[in-house]
Amino acid sequence: NAGVTQTPKFRVLKTGQSMTLLCAQDMNHEYMYWYRQDPGMGLRLIHYSVGEGTTAKGEVPDGYNVSRLKKQNFLLGLESAAPSQTSVYFCASSYSPVSYEQYFGPGTRLTVT
Amino acid sequence: KQEVTQIPAALSVPEGENLVLNCSFTDSAIYNLQWFRQDPGKGLTSLLLIQSSQREQTSGRLNASLDKSSGRSTLYIAASQPGDSATYLCAVYDSGAGSYQLTFGKGTKLSVIP
Repeated sequence: NAGVTQTPKFRVLKTGQSMTLLCAQDMNHEYMYWYRQDPGMGLRLIHYSVGEGTTAKGEVPDGYNVSRLKKQNFLLGLESAAPSQTSVYFCASSYSPVSYEQYFGPGTRLTVT
Repeated sequence: KQEVTQIPAALSVPEGENLVLNCSFTDSAIYNLQWFRQDPGKGLTSLLLIQSSQREQTSGRLNASLDKSSGRSTLYIAASQPGDSATYLCAVYDSGAGSYQLTFGKGTKLSVIP
């Protein structure tokens, strides 16, 4: 049982490049989330999904897109990276966020130069 | 908009001391409150989840309380150990502005000195 895994762990991009971050969970959770963590700002929700085939915007969705084609996977895409997207990105999942805790992945450290 | 505040931002205590971390939130219409631990360069580990109808939860040396009406929670750590050194985050789950999400505080960085 690996829990929540994220790929890659580190990445450096140049401004304007694109990339996809992959999150996978093996706990059969319905809900999945993408957060970013910045110094002095705390964790902020980018997008989330309440089930396979669904996505919704969080607090800071601009510049990102997501897809949930399979229940166990949640992809976060950056179409044209900007230096403001330099951050640590965390994926999380849960059965039902009202009654159950969220489980977090180890994070992806992204630098955009 | 929900806001979560954690005080103090940093705390240093000698090993063996009991300590309390504080969390406050502005909107009391929450579903639950969760305490996390984050080690440097790592992800978040869930410590305790308190439902809105509960007053407290315990796990080992940790005890978390919730006073929803006053918008406050505390995390009590008994007999602190150097291994407890980490950043502790508080988060509340609500449906503010129609978006169901966790709102996080900025954390309290705890250092336990041997």
